[in-house]
Amino acid sequence: EDQVTQSPEALRLQEGESSSLNCSYTVSGLRGLFWYRQDPGKGPEFLFTLYSAGEEKEKERLKATLTKKESFLHITAPKPEDSATYLCAVRSQRNQGGKLIFGQGTELSVKP
Amino acid sequence: NAGVTQTPKFRVLKTGQSMTLLCAQDMNHEYMYWYRQDPGMGLRLIHYSVGEGTTAKGEVPDGYNVSRLKKQNFLLGLESAAPSQTSVYFCASSYGTATNEKLFFGSGTQLSVL
Repeated sequence: EDQVTQSPEALRLQEGESSSLNCSYTVSGLRGLFWYRQDPGKGPEFLFTLYSAGEEKEKERLKATLTKKESFLHITAPKPEDSATYLCAVRSQRNQGGKLIFGQGTELSVKP
Repeated sequence: NAGVTQTPKFRVLKTGQSMTLLCAQDMNHEYMYWYRQDPGMGLRLIHYSVGEGTTAKGEVPDGYNVSRLKKQNFLLGLESAAPSQTSVYFCASSYGTATNEKLFFGSGTQLSVL
């Protein structure tokens, strides 16, 4: 069974305090690992897709990396506007219809 | 460009009542999905559709029905609502099954069943 587990569930940072979020996955043939950002009362918004171990992608203060078992979302010098829930999802070889399997999310709070 | 639009945004039902959630997308996407989001459970797939006139079950389909009569619309029905169906419902769409196809989400419907 395909599974995605995110940690920690919640993370509180001071502005400028860098940290990382973890996404561990077990899938039968990874066909893509996705990171989304979700603001309160809104739908998830796409950030990155990673396909193979060793791949990295960056966007502003965010950098996503991928190994064969997990992905990290590194946040460098975060600002209060980075506060949101970050969701990790995978698409596997087994999944029909292109659907994504999501983790529970990490709620990030950045205080000024 | 509206993207994915869900209606209604909020709804309160009594146990046993029925309702339909509407999802509309204007991106000419082939694939559409209904997820529910519950605290600590993440997003779980209810039903999905790979094209007009087709539907399939996801992880948690019980108690829900769907229809895709038009390419741009995907309807989620609750025939007899139960308190366990209190949740936030998200519709999503994508072009197809290519590996890099990301899902675009609507803003959600918050449903309470009393």
